[in-house]
Amino acid sequence: DGGITQSPKYLFRKEGQNVTLSCEQNLNHDAMYWYRQDPGQGLRLIYYSQIVNDFQKGDIAEGYSVSREKKESFPLTVTSAQKNPTAFYLCASSLGSSYNEQFFGPGTRLTVL
Amino acid sequence: QQPVQSPQAVILREGEDAVINCSSSKALYSVHWYRQKHGEAPVFLMILLKGGEQKGHDKISASFNEKKQQSSLYLTASQLSYSGTYFCGTEGSQGGSEKLVFGKGTKLTVNP
Repeated sequence: DGGITQSPKYLFRKEGQNVTLSCEQNLNHDAMYWYRQDPGQGLRLIYYSQIVNDFQKGDIAEGYSVSREKKESFPLTVTSAQKNPTAFYLCASSLGSSYNEQFFGPGTRLTVL
Repeated sequence: QQPVQSPQAVILREGEDAVINCSSSKALYSVHWYRQKHGEAPVFLMILLKGGEQKGHDKISASFNEKKQQSSLYLTASQLSYSGTYFCGTEGSQGGSEKLVFGKGTKLTVNP
């Protein structure tokens, strides 16, 4: 079955530690996205990538980093510089044009203690 | 610029209709609509493009008024399964950026 997977579903980390969230897709999509969701705030774009080895900052990129070494994978690292990292993180992918829907993964809920 | 959705929340009885609005202060190229149930991933409903026609999907349809920079989602004869939070995502007037800015969402509750 084609789809987009995120792991783990729940993640707990101590303050000051970096943590990497996984996102994999087998839909052969060119574009991939990372969003952060906080209660009442909607979806806010962290980073996006339209092609392998290239990515752009979204609206709230500070304290986050990404890589896109393979078409299928777009991991997100939440660094210790991110002041409020506790949130629900969603990864999405699309064929990469205005005409195409975004497919979302199930999300990772990160809690920093 | 984040689009503004209204209302923030709405409660319906099964079979009633609802309209959710999405307004932007910037010219738009496309508007996407998604529904998210609690704890789950958002699911795509439809896309409206500049110059395009009103779209429909079963009893859910939407319109896009380019002059007003506004889109509306119409849910008719609502079902219990329509409950969830609805988000609009907008793309600026040039298009091609593949980057959406989402509104804060409208929480829809359908009761029996």
